[in-house]
Amino acid sequence: AQSVTQLDSQVPVFEEAPVELRCNYSSSVSVYLFWYVQYPNQGLQLLLKYLSGSTLVKGINGFEAEFNKSQTSFHLRKPSVHISDTAEYFCAVSAMDTGRRALTFGSGTRLQVQP
Amino acid sequence: NAGVMQNPRHLVRRRGQEARLRCSPMKGHSHVYWYRQLPEEGLKFMVYLQKENIIDESGMPKERFSAEFPKEGPSILRIQQVVRGDSAAYFCASSPPDRAFGTQYFGPGTRLTVL
Repeated sequence: AQSVTQLDSQVPVFEEAPVELRCNYSSSVSVYLFWYVQYPNQGLQLLLKYLSGSTLVKGINGFEAEFNKSQTSFHLRKPSVHISDTAEYFCAVSAMDTGRRALTFGSGTRLQVQP
Repeated sequence: NAGVMQNPRHLVRRRGQEARLRCSPMKGHSHVYWYRQLPEEGLKFMVYLQKENIIDESGMPKERFSAEFPKEGPSILRIQQVVRGDSAAYFCASSPPDRAFGTQYFGPGTRLTVL
């Protein structure tokens, strides 16, 4: 089984400041890792994913994340945020087993970008 | 290419009634997943289906909930005799076939309110 911990439920930040949203996971098997964003009353949109290869992953809207296997972390970063980045961000993992594709999500981090 | 479609977007039911939620996957996708999001929580996996087959239902409540993905038509999540605790947002996702791991694309969700 897998579990995902997002350490910060809310992160307030000023516009144009950098931000890091933290994600740690626990799993007995190797996993794929994902970050999704959810805008109010909408579905989830994939920001980026790590399946294999380079541990630094670049996604849409200027976001990037780094997979750290030893620390079992997959923190999301953006060097300069915009008001439009205000949303809920979810980290998720899935076991590297084609029979079990279920995503296990963290509880989410609400990013609040202030002018 | 239209995204994942879900209907209705909002559904109100009284306790004891049945709720039927529909999901049409993206064109070319044959894998469907259902997730539930309770207020202020992350998404929880419910069930994973391929055409005419339930692959993983480890997250489905044992009673009152069922899901199907027929050869023709949308996937249906059915909740019988709804209770107030079933009030949540239900998201469907789909992924393409024949890959080691297909990214899951989410629909806009159905928000179920049980009175």
